[in-house]
Order: sequence, then structure tokens, then C-alpha cells
Amino acid sequence: QVQLVQSGAEVKKPGASVKVSCKASGNIFTSNEISWVRQAAGQGFEWMGWMNPNSGNTGYAQKFQGRVTMTRNTSISTAYMELSSLTSEDTAVYYCARGGKTPGDYWGQGTLVTVSS
Amino acid sequence: DIVMTQSPDSLAVSLGERATINCKSRQSLLYSSNNKNYLAWYQHKPGQPPKLLIYWASTRESGVPDRFSGSGSGTDFTLTISSLQAEDVAIYYCQQYFTTPRTFGQGTKVEIK
Repeated sequence: QVQLVQSGAEVKKPGASVKVSCKASGNIFTSNEISWVRQAAGQGFEWMGWMNPNSGNTGYAQKFQGRVTMTRNTSISTAYMELSSLTSEDTAVYYCARGGKTPGDYWGQGTLVTVSS
Repeated sequence: DIVMTQSPDSLAVSLGERATINCKSRQSLLYSSNNKNYLAWYQHKPGQPPKLLIYWASTRESGVPDRFSGSGSGTDFTLTISSLQAEDVAIYYCQQYFTTPRTFGQGTKVEIK
């Protein structure tokens, strides 16, 4: 069964970092890029960037440059997204999705990240 | 960044009736070398991840009911639900994948009248 399973909800203080994982099953991990998208409550979707799981090459939205890092561990078919210098505006549900050059066809269940003092 | 604008923001349609959602891009999403429009449509229900419905503006994703169809080219696109079912209540988003950053429309909420 093809699926992406993300790590659980996180609560962080302003200025901290968060690292969200996305584990792929069903032999899809290296078949396409992995993208990360977030959605704040009541807001639309915001694309953060993508990573090629084979090469590790990444592309980030300019808004997140310098604050986001996307990595992977191919031995366990897991992608990671780390976001640093968190503020309350980073409170959102974060999704991983298979797809980069093409639209996301498989999505993780989402990870709620709450930034609060 | 390519700005995507959807209309309307919300609509209420009777069961079995047609629902039409529009999406306009500030620049063309048609790539001349392959004649493909880099436009996708997603359905999003509360507590669930988005579900891909349509890609290349008009290609239905596997398993998506044929009451969902996409049309348009260049800068103007449409998602049509030909006969609205109760399970179609959701927010629908268009997304361009012509260039980075990928950008989404603001969403259209579809409800039952």
C-alpha cells in the first residue's frame, strides 16, 4: 500500500526549530520529488520547497530560504523538513507530498506545528 | 510568483446540479514545447490531506469519478462537477506547477444548497 506517514504534532517556543519526518512505503520514495506544503488555520496552501530523494538536491521557496532544510535518509525511505527561527506565523499544518515537477499525488496525513510561548 | 485567483470564493449547489469553479493565472501556464497546461485541481476536506483530482488541466487522476472534469488553457481554467454529490462538499484549490514557487488559488468552498 502506497502511503506517506508523517511524525506527530509538535509544540515549540518562538525561536526554536522543528523537524518533521515523512516516511514513505510502497516503493514510492525514490520515484519522484518530495515536496513540503503548509496550511495555516483558515488560510490557503503555501509551497515551501522540494527535494529529490535520489540526489538530495533541494529547491526552496525564497520566503523560506535560510530557514528551511530538507533532507532524507534513503535507508529508511524517510524525508525530513526542518524549519528554524520559528514564530507564531509558522503555526500551521505541514504536509509532505510526492511530486515536485508534477503535482502531489500522494500526501502525508499532515503534522500540526504550534508555536507558542 | 504566479498569482492564482479562484472564483467564486464559495458556492452552494443543489444535489445533482452542476458546480463550476474558475481559476485564473496571472501568466500563461501553457508550455509551448509540449502543449501542456501546468495546472492541477485538488479537493480538500477537513482533517484530511488534499486529494489530487485533475492534472495537465484536464487529465483526471486515477480513481476520480468522471463527474469531475477540468478544462481551459493558458490563463483561464475551470473545474466542473457535473452532478454534485453529498461527498463532494469540500474546498477546491487550483495549483500551478509551471514554475517555482508552486502557487495555489485561495480556494472555493462548495456546499449543498
